[in-house]
Amino acid sequence: QSVLTQPPSMSGAPGQRVTISCTGNRSNIGAGYDVHWYQQLPGTAPKLLIYGNTNRPSGVPDRFSGSKSGTSASLAITGLQAGDEADYYCQSYDSNLSASVFGGGTKLTVL
Amino acid sequence: QVQLQESGPGQVKPSETLSLTCAVSGYSISGSYYWGWIRQSPGKGLEWIASSYHSGSTYYNPSLKSRVTISLDTSTNQFSLKLTSVTAADTAVYYCARVRSSFGNWSFDYWGQGTLVTVSS
Repeated sequence: QSVLTQPPSMSGAPGQRVTISCTGNRSNIGAGYDVHWYQQLPGTAPKLLIYGNTNRPSGVPDRFSGSKSGTSASLAITGLQAGDEADYYCQSYDSNLSASVFGGGTKLTVL
Repeated sequence: QVQLQESGPGQVKPSETLSLTCAVSGYSISGSYYWGWIRQSPGKGLEWIASSYHSGSTYYNPSLKSRVTISLDTSTNQFSLKLTSVTAADTAVYYCARVRSSFGNWSFDYWGQGTLVTVSS
């Protein structure tokens, strides 16, 4: 049971927009710690998608965007493509646990 | 281009010590980044294990701290993980990663491909 809560699964049709939520509390996201997002394609290592709440590493399409408000953060994917089918994880720091923590992950299915 | 590659035994017996090495190419581990280990149990999520800087600054997940050691070898540009007294619960894919630190906020910007370690007799 992670301190960062994500919906276990989501789906969307090609071309649609989906938003994946990551809900924390006052010891992590609400305390001001940055939220980062990772994409894990089947059988591969996670890849950094968004860092520092809203920043995209070089090479990540602008179809991916991040936001943060209060004790939650969100990853939005626009113009959904078949290649976006993957597991998505949020990550932050928790001061109560004194540890970097990951959300439980969201499996995104492109219909 | 930064590349990381994990190596080590694919199977460890219960109560023994898991030892893994991460070889880094394309960047010196003496540079301005931390280096860390993350694991993923089969079918489950990600768990941060430990991170370290070449100055000796080291951080451990409190849930594993009593059993974990991370160390950096700048002469070979490699870093390692040791996890003692393993049980079946330690069976996982272990990833090494470069840690991007910004005002104390960590993200993992480059990852190895991962290595599966199974704890079994």
